[in-house]
Amino acid sequence: QQNVQQSPESLIVPEGARTSLNCTFSDSASQYFWWYRQHSGKAPKALMSIFSNGEKEEGRFTIHLNKASLHFSLHIRDSQPSDSALYLCAGDTNAYKVIFGKGTHLHVLP
Amino acid sequence: GALVYQYPRRTICKSGTSMRMECQAVGFQATSVAWYRQSPQKTFELIALSTVNSAIKYEQNFTQEKFPISHPNLSFSSMTVLNAYLEDRGLYLCGARPGAGAEQFFGPGTRLTVL
Repeated sequence: QQNVQQSPESLIVPEGARTSLNCTFSDSASQYFWWYRQHSGKAPKALMSIFSNGEKEEGRFTIHLNKASLHFSLHIRDSQPSDSALYLCAGDTNAYKVIFGKGTHLHVLP
Repeated sequence: GALVYQYPRRTICKSGTSMRMECQAVGFQATSVAWYRQSPQKTFELIALSTVNSAIKYEQNFTQEKFPISHPNLSFSSMTVLNAYLEDRGLYLCGARPGAGAEQFFGPGTRLTVL
């Protein structure tokens, strides 16, 4: 059974800061890795995904995947108050099943 | 675009009673539908996964007897919470995918309060 651990549980950063969120999987069974973002009172929405080792950048957001160390991270450059949300990392274990971590609550102070 | 609707958005039921919630995918064919429960204590728990042409698979601690699910076509799914108790409180989210490895689209959830 895939287990996903996220850290930290909560994070408060000033506007403009670089923010790093971390995720560790219990095994290498996942093929697809996702970061989802959920603003308060809204549905979770996919932010970025990656399917192979390495790095992927989209605007202020960068994700890193290292399957050997089972580590997956999200980095936000120049954090904005609008980035305040619950960030969830997830992995597909068998093409359809998506397991989520408990999430990191990010608060960006203006 | 791909949208997922859920209803009701909020529901209150008495302890020991049951309530049904629905999930509708619009703009794509939901070849898989997953039901999750989001609560302050355990955050994001997968309840069950329903995939076209496969039996519905329940996660540990969740059973068909407690959370029966129907997925009759590629746009609709429903789940019932039978004999609801305080520990069943939370936000029930439906996530639908158009295919393996594709983005999972979520509905806004049904918030269940048990009195």
